[in-house]
Amino acid sequence: KAGVTQTPRYLIKTRGQQVTLSCSPISGHRSVSWYQQTPGQGLQFLFEYFSETQRNKGNFPGRFSGRQFSNSRSEMNVSTLELGDSALYLCASSPTRTSGGGETQYFGPGTRLLVL
Amino acid sequence: KQEVTQIPAALSVPEGENLVLNCSFTDSAIYNLQWFRQDPGKGLTSLLLIQSSQREQTSGRLNASLDKSSGRSTLYIAASQPGDSATYLCAVRESGSRLTFGEGTQLTVNP
Repeated sequence: KAGVTQTPRYLIKTRGQQVTLSCSPISGHRSVSWYQQTPGQGLQFLFEYFSETQRNKGNFPGRFSGRQFSNSRSEMNVSTLELGDSALYLCASSPTRTSGGGETQYFGPGTRLLVL
Repeated sequence: KQEVTQIPAALSVPEGENLVLNCSFTDSAIYNLQWFRQDPGKGLTSLLLIQSSQREQTSGRLNASLDKSSGRSTLYIAASQPGDSATYLCAVRESGSRLTFGEGTQLTVNP
């Protein structure tokens, strides 16, 4: 089975622009979560999608949004980019949302975003 | 609010040494705890998952334990190798698929 894929892998944008990142989960997985990783804040949860619905949201401003399609692929969008949005953005997939705690989450390689 | 802490922040050991990484969390209402490995600039690789009802899991030279009541987990690495050099992260799963991560332990194994 192919792993979680993320595109693009690297991205350079300037302040004020917007960006869209894509994540394709493992085949059969329906839950996709997004995380932001920075040296100062570590890994922080952005949001979770399951069955095309946002199920959980982290403490990020409304500039960060996402969606999930019927094939479980997910996109996240960041509008009006700020310098502090420079980070590694990771997505993770799992088969379902809850199953008694026995499910491993699988992470993609990430998209590295640099905002100038 | 769940908080996850990892000690030490960095560790440097000679090859062949056995070592223990520590993780603590503040809220014991978790579904599971996962240990991940991250190589520089890369994504996360899942190493071990311990369900809340379990006490430990083993995979090769790795053994992870969980004491949910005290909010602690340890990752034991036997006979460390230079290829084990990476950042090790622990994460607890609470609601849905949300993971809360610690800051990580940066491990260097010297040949």
